[in-house]
Parts: sequence; C-alpha cells; structure tokens
Amino acid sequence: SAVISQKPSRDICQRGTSLTIQCQVDSQVTMMFWYRQQPGQSLTLIATANQGSEATYESGFVIDKFPISRPNLTFSTLTVSNMSPEDSSIYLCSLLGDKYEQYFGPGTRLTVT
Amino acid sequence: AQSVAQPEDQVNVAEGNPLTVKCTYSVSGNPYLFWYVQYPNRGLQFLLKYITGDNLVKGSYGFEAEFNKSQTSFHLKKPSALVSDSALYFCAVKGNQGGKLIFGQGTELSVKP
Repeated sequence: SAVISQKPSRDICQRGTSLTIQCQVDSQVTMMFWYRQQPGQSLTLIATANQGSEATYESGFVIDKFPISRPNLTFSTLTVSNMSPEDSSIYLCSLLGDKYEQYFGPGTRLTVT
Repeated sequence: AQSVAQPEDQVNVAEGNPLTVKCTYSVSGNPYLFWYVQYPNRGLQFLLKYITGDNLVKGSYGFEAEFNKSQTSFHLKKPSALVSDSALYFCAVKGNQGGKLIFGQGTELSVKP
C-alpha cells in the first residue's frame, strides 16, 4: 500500500492564525480525503480532493475556513483558517485504495490556544 | 442515509480470551463495510472490509468480521486477544456518493494480562 506522510505532525497555534497541513503520498492517487477527529470523537469527513477539480466539502465545512489544494496526484494541503480553540483536533488525510478501502496518514495534532 | 453504530464505548477482555467488538449498520443498497484500528498517537490502520462474497471476512493481525444481513451487523472478532490489541476500533460504511467513509463513534478495546 502507499506510504502517506503529513507535516507537521503536531502544532500549537494562537487563535486567529492559520495553519497549512501537507499530505504527501509516494504514488499517484486520484481521490484524496481530509478528515477531522475532535478530542474523544470519531472521524468526520471535511472534504474530498480530486486532482484538477475543486474540492467537494461536506455539510458544515466551508472553503473559506478549510481551503484545500490538490496541485498534483501525490500532494494535497488543508489550511485551517482563522483558528479558534474549537478547531483543536487531529486532522488526517487519506487516499482511496483499489477496492474502496481508504488508507490514512499519521495525522496532524492541532492545539489552538 | 448511511450510518453505523458501535453500541459499546469500551470492551474489556482478558488476554487469551475471545473478543468481539460490535457494529450495526443502516444503509440503502448493498453495504460496503470496514474496520479500522487506531493505536495511541497513530493514524488509522485498515483491518478488513466486506464488499461482497463470504460473510466471514479475514483481515490483519488475526482479526475477522462476520457480516450478518438479517441483523444488519458487522461484528469484529478475534479468537484469542493479545495485550497489544488494546486500541480504539472504528467501524465504517461507504457513503452513497464517491468514496467517503462514515465512521461509528469508536470502541475502546482494553486487553488485560
């Protein structure tokens, strides 16, 4: 399976600032996803990112708050904008495998103070 | 709408005993079901999936899951638990659109020596 890396692995940020999270895959993939895992909670899909098209956002998530880039088939970024303490979460990228399963990166643990 | 439920927040098992982590689903159409495991401070690891075929699915680390259409269940099982199996387990179902996954709330498995 593909190797997925994320940067940074963790960060502590001030409220009102923005953080860009990078997701790098060692092979070309068409469909990538960004999820949020709030403390003690399950995973919630933020958006689907296909190369060459605008990201598709889930209900409750908007592009102004979580802009996503997908410049090529091996890379994507998620920006968490104008952060508040409620944005403190683990953010995970994933890719779609051959048979509907998804493979996840190690996650970025974000704390907003 | 597709959904999954994990009725137990926590499951405690003695090492060497069999374990079961429960999952029920609600879908329109044929279910595509998945189990993932999350170790502390790690991303999610894919364990197994049911798409079609045999109701008993075998996966990684000795885990298996039984698909039961009449009971709309997809319980995760292992004949003999290890202390190293202690982790957070998520059941998921493929959404109606695209490749998105919808996750259950997670079950904390604790295996004691």
